[in-house]
Amino acid sequence: DTEVTQTPKHLVMGMTNKKSLKCEQHMGHRAMYWYKQKAKKPPELMFVYSYEKLSINESVPSRFSPECPNSSLLNLHLHALQPEDSALYLCASSPLAIFSTDTQYFGPGTRLTVL
Amino acid sequence: AQKVTQAQTEISVVEKEDVTLDCVYETRDTTYYLFWYKQPPSGELVFLIRRNSFDEQNEISGRYSWNFQKSTSSFNFTITASQVVDSAVYFCALSNLGSSNTGKLIFGQGTTLQVKP
Repeated sequence: DTEVTQTPKHLVMGMTNKKSLKCEQHMGHRAMYWYKQKAKKPPELMFVYSYEKLSINESVPSRFSPECPNSSLLNLHLHALQPEDSALYLCASSPLAIFSTDTQYFGPGTRLTVL
Repeated sequence: AQKVTQAQTEISVVEKEDVTLDCVYETRDTTYYLFWYKQPPSGELVFLIRRNSFDEQNEISGRYSWNFQKSTSSFNFTITASQVVDSAVYFCALSNLGSSNTGKLIFGQGTTLQVKP
């Protein structure tokens, strides 16, 4: 089973709101990822967690705050976002830790709209 | 530098036609991996194939086939007898562990395939 789940599917928030995106996998994967995807563009890597530790932060603004409470869960906390942050946010996981060329399995994404 | 080029932005075919999506990559590393993902309108990226640089055998999976040619740095994807459900954006991606990379996926810009009934 190569399933990664994400909630919510859609999210609309104002620029002063605080919200969180959630990602879950039960495949025993050791690396988890957050990507941001704008329309008609490929996904852009934001963060990578390896063994529940933040391994890569691709210079993402601090209004995005990732959290990995355990090996199966990954959250992305959102605060004071801008309209240009509206995008599809994808979570992925891979079997081995980062610094491997393992296959990444993606969730269905959360479509975020910032008003 | 690592780069993946999908020169075809959009392709439109009629159902049952065969269609080939092109992917050209650049890397200085000798060990690397190539991937194809499908992204239907629902948004999820669906993994299709992973191929390492030492395995140049072509692969067939049902109506899907992949042609890997190191000599031309290409990893093309063919759908035989296309169906409406094949309509999606298809991404080719590269990953390696060279000094400038850490196993991150380097995506092409994607090819939007529309299959008309």
